[in-house]
Amino acid sequence: GAGVSQSPSNKVTEKGKDVELRCDPISGHTALYWYRQSLGQGLEFLIYFQGNSAPDKSGLPSDRFSAERTGGSVSTLTIQRTQQEDSAVYLCASSLAKSDTQYFGPGTRLTVL
Amino acid sequence: QQQVKQSPQSLIVQKGGISIINCAYENTAFDYFPWYQQFPGKGPALLIAIRPDVSEKKEGRFTISFNKSAKQFSLHIMDSQPGDSATYFCAPRGTSGTYKYIFGTGTRLKVLA
Repeated sequence: GAGVSQSPSNKVTEKGKDVELRCDPISGHTALYWYRQSLGQGLEFLIYFQGNSAPDKSGLPSDRFSAERTGGSVSTLTIQRTQQEDSAVYLCASSLAKSDTQYFGPGTRLTVL
Repeated sequence: QQQVKQSPQSLIVQKGGISIINCAYENTAFDYFPWYQQFPGKGPALLIAIRPDVSEKKEGRFTISFNKSAKQFSLHIMDSQPGDSATYFCAPRGTSGTYKYIFGTGTRLKVLA
């Protein structure tokens, strides 16, 4: 079957604009993660969804960042009033409930001018 | 706070040589110790992983060595090949309620032909 998909693959926006990044997890995967990867850096955890449980939002860097997951499937990460320091690759991963293996999407490269 | 320290930051190895990457973690409960491989423009992919009840796991040319008392685990790539050139991340998973992975800062490996 298809892997994790993310859209858009690239997004260029102006400082102060809002952006929405989309993640389509593998069908049947109940766990979904968002990470941020700055140039040449490791992955920074942002948020974790598991089934119908309350999401773990402990990694969101500010209240400009929010995410939702509709119907336990597709997830959208929203960044309001983007800043230049938000420029990074945003990665989404999904896994089966309590499984050990995360499957990553190709990421969305966000550039804030 | 930095819970995971990965070294070296970069590594150059001759074809056929052994690549060794280390990961040290601080006083946090982790129950699963994976290594991820990432090629440019792609999301990370699980390479090999170990649980804390074993000290070593081997899969083909890749071996994880785990030292629970020292809070360290390492990735060994035997007979390194140019196709192994990638960035490698350790990403131990926490046990504190959510399946949260803490990624190291990455090691950029280059295998010379």
